[in-house]
Amino acid sequence: NAGVTQTPKFQVLKTGQSMTLQCAQDMNHNSMYWYRQDPGMGLRLIYYSASEGTTDKGEVPNGYNVSRLNKREFSLRLESAAPSQTSVYFCASSVEGGGTEAFFGQGTRLTVV
Amino acid sequence: AQSVTQLGSHVSVSEGALVLLRCNYSSSVPPYLFWYVQYPNQGLQLLLKYTSAATLVKGINDFEAEFKKSETSFHLTKPSAHMSDAAEYFCAVSVPTRRALTFGSGTRLQVQP
Repeated sequence: NAGVTQTPKFQVLKTGQSMTLQCAQDMNHNSMYWYRQDPGMGLRLIYYSASEGTTDKGEVPNGYNVSRLNKREFSLRLESAAPSQTSVYFCASSVEGGGTEAFFGQGTRLTVV
Repeated sequence: AQSVTQLGSHVSVSEGALVLLRCNYSSSVPPYLFWYVQYPNQGLQLLLKYTSAATLVKGINDFEAEFKKSETSFHLTKPSAHMSDAAEYFCAVSVPTRRALTFGSGTRLQVQP
């Protein structure tokens, strides 16, 4: 059982380049999330999807777009990367929101130079 | 809106000593509360969660936390620290009306031999 799978694990981008972070879960969860982790700031929500076909902004959505491709997959796109987007990105999923446990992927370490 | 404050970004204990990691929350409605652990270069794993049942919650690896409404706290404890407990610990909160978790800034636990 793979759980939540993120690709790639590492990426270096030049300022202005674009890329898509991929996330897939095999637990038949309805809700999926993208967080970024920065030192001393914990995890901050970028976007989330409560169910297939819906997406909502989180705490720090500027500079990002998302697509809930189907129930399994939730991608995060950086259209024009900036050094401020250097971070570790985590995808997570849960059966639904509220009191249910979120399962996390292993993370993508992104550096923008 | 809900929020979490973790007191102490770094905590150091001796092997065998009590572990106490502090978490205070703010929420206008009854919250769900979680503790996650992150080992180096890994994703987050759930340690335990409070979802309005028993106020004393037991989790994996002998960790436990007590929900105290009067103090708006959810502190994490372990009677005897092991070297393998060295990691970063995150407290998180969610509410039924908001589907995503809100995380604290994290506490890095160091265990000295």
